[in-house]
Amino acid sequence: KNQVEQSPQSLIILEGKNCTLQCNYTVSPFSNLRWYKQDTGRGPVSLTIMTFSENTKSNGRYTATLDADTKQSSLHITASQLSDSASYICVVSPSGGSYIPTFGRGTSLIVHP
Amino acid sequence: DTAVSQTPKYLVTQMGNDKSIKCEQNLGHDTMYWYKQDSKKFLKIMFSYNNKELIINETVPNRFSPKSPDKAHLNLHINSLELGDSAVYFCASSPLNTGELFFGEGSRLTVL
Repeated sequence: KNQVEQSPQSLIILEGKNCTLQCNYTVSPFSNLRWYKQDTGRGPVSLTIMTFSENTKSNGRYTATLDADTKQSSLHITASQLSDSASYICVVSPSGGSYIPTFGRGTSLIVHP
Repeated sequence: DTAVSQTPKYLVTQMGNDKSIKCEQNLGHDTMYWYKQDSKKFLKIMFSYNNKELIINETVPNRFSPKSPDKAHLNLHINSLELGDSAVYFCASSPLNTGELFFGEGSRLTVL
């Protein structure tokens, strides 16, 4: 059964600090992994996409890593800002077939001033 | 220039009523979805629909029925609403080549 597990469930940090969110998956065959950011009261928005051959990808202060062998990904946020407070969702898509992605339960990040 | 728009944003209704949520996308995507986000913020797919096929998640009660008049619209009709149907429902669309999901802003349904 395809599963995506995220940790921690929630995280509170001070503004300006760095943090790392984790995602483990069992989706197979693997196509890609995306990190989405969901602000309160809004729909999720894609931050990064990682394919099988990619190890690291950055989008501003967000850096995603992927280890396809261990089926793990991380999202590192550098110099956090208050606007980073949101839920971060790891989504893994299989290759072929119906292309239905599997969602993690998300990590709720709160950045305090 | 809204990409994925859904209405209404808020819906409060009584148990047993029938209601619909509408969704439209102007991105030219082939696939559209309905997701349910519960109180614990978990997004769970309900339906995926494209030009060729409607994929029904077997855990969705048959009180829920998607209707797609054309490729740009996917509406969700719910019969005999129950308390447990209270949630935020998100419409999304994606292109076939990348699979990136583009979400609407959500429709918060409250069943009293």
